[in-house]
Amino acid sequence: DVKVTQSSRYLVKRTGEKVFLECVQDMDHENMFWYRQDPGLGLRLIYFSYDVKMKEKGDIPEGYSVSREKKERFSLILESASTNQTSMYLCASSLLAGADKYNEQFFGPGTRLTVL
Amino acid sequence: AQKVTQAQTEISVVEKEDVTLDCVYETRDTTYYLFWYKQPPSGELVFLIRRNSFDEQNEISGRYSWNFQKSTSSFNFTITASQVVDSAVYFCALENNFGNEKLTFGTGTRLTIIP
Repeated sequence: DVKVTQSSRYLVKRTGEKVFLECVQDMDHENMFWYRQDPGLGLRLIYFSYDVKMKEKGDIPEGYSVSREKKERFSLILESASTNQTSMYLCASSLLAGADKYNEQFFGPGTRLTVL
Repeated sequence: AQKVTQAQTEISVVEKEDVTLDCVYETRDTTYYLFWYKQPPSGELVFLIRRNSFDEQNEISGRYSWNFQKSTSSFNFTITASQVVDSAVYFCALENNFGNEKLTFGTGTRLTIIP
């Protein structure tokens, strides 16, 4: 079974702190994604990566950066956390799609981040 | 721009009743994929189904069924004889730009099955 793990289920940080959220997948997937989930807004894509050292902005990249130094690990970085970044953060991974095939995204359990 | 609307924020039904979750989408692309995901209380989204825009056949999987209608841009999800384990938040999602693999999610419907 595909497994996507996230470093913490719950995290509390203070405004201005640098925050690292880690995601690891064990199925050799090329694609990895970071979403945030907020009530009434669903899931919104922050960043995604389709290869090591490659990244692309999603719909709401402001205030975030990412790092992908190894294929299995995708890190989300909040350079200076703010209270409006309090949210549930979900990581996902998928195989790279072929010309006629789509591979679904597999999600981790999420990290609930509170910024005080 | 693409958009997915799940107008039902919360639904509660008594166990064994049938329930339909609505999903309406907007896209200018002719090639796209539609998805349903389930998010149980544990928080991890679970993939339920993928449907591509060229396949309008309805699908049934056990107590779950999906009705895809391009004419109304809808992809509704029905649970027959609901069970308490069906209680979860359900998300509909759209991927256009074939191969791009970026999903646009709806806001979700929280389904509560009352024993």
